[in-house]
Amino acid sequence: SQQGEEDPQALSIQEGENATMNCSYKTSINNLQWYRQNSGRGLVHLILIRSNEREKHSGRLRVTLDTSKKSSSLLITASRAADTASYFCATATNSGYSTLTFGKGTMLLVSP
Amino acid sequence: DGGITQSPKYLFRKEGQNVTLSCEQNLNHDAMYWYRQDPGQGLRLIYYSQIVNDFQKGDIAEGYSVSREKKESFPLTVTSAQKNPTAFYLCASAGLYNEQFFGPGTRLTVL
Repeated sequence: SQQGEEDPQALSIQEGENATMNCSYKTSINNLQWYRQNSGRGLVHLILIRSNEREKHSGRLRVTLDTSKKSSSLLITASRAADTASYFCATATNSGYSTLTFGKGTMLLVSP
Repeated sequence: DGGITQSPKYLFRKEGQNVTLSCEQNLNHDAMYWYRQDPGQGLRLIYYSQIVNDFQKGDIAEGYSVSREKKESFPLTVTSAQKNPTAFYLCASAGLYNEQFFGPGTRLTVL
């Protein structure tokens, strides 16, 4: 069953612009993670935010989490063509070796 | 080089055949996972294992089987009972905080 739902399904921007993707989920979580997938490749872990955290940064990435609204957002600042990929959120309901439930992803296209 | 490998990259299967997809990791992770991805879709969990000689069914285990005889290896067999096996299969292992590390995937096509 899908826990996370990303919005929008697809996003097209120019290099240098910011890209914002949203994720909503249904049940209580221990942590939420964002992954990137280039076409035909495996997923790459970007960032993990725990349920007691509200914001986290990693390089050009900024993730927020609002547990009261059961939603998260991923902001990529100053986008580059190399950021073109699909982005997935995934939720874990337990700490430790918990299974992850993935959304369907947002496809981001960054044009030069 | 630490990482997770999958083989083969492409696999073709005839109707009625069983095929086995390989997944190996040298990250010393206890937990390993198999996912299926269909076009334009997210990942769906097939099987997972948190320790050697133990594994659990995920959301779509029917028609699949796994084994976990070694910590490093978690092969997936797609049996003839799986009615629609054409998909992209991803293997992952989990680190200390459950961030998952993925292999490059195997694309299975039924002829």
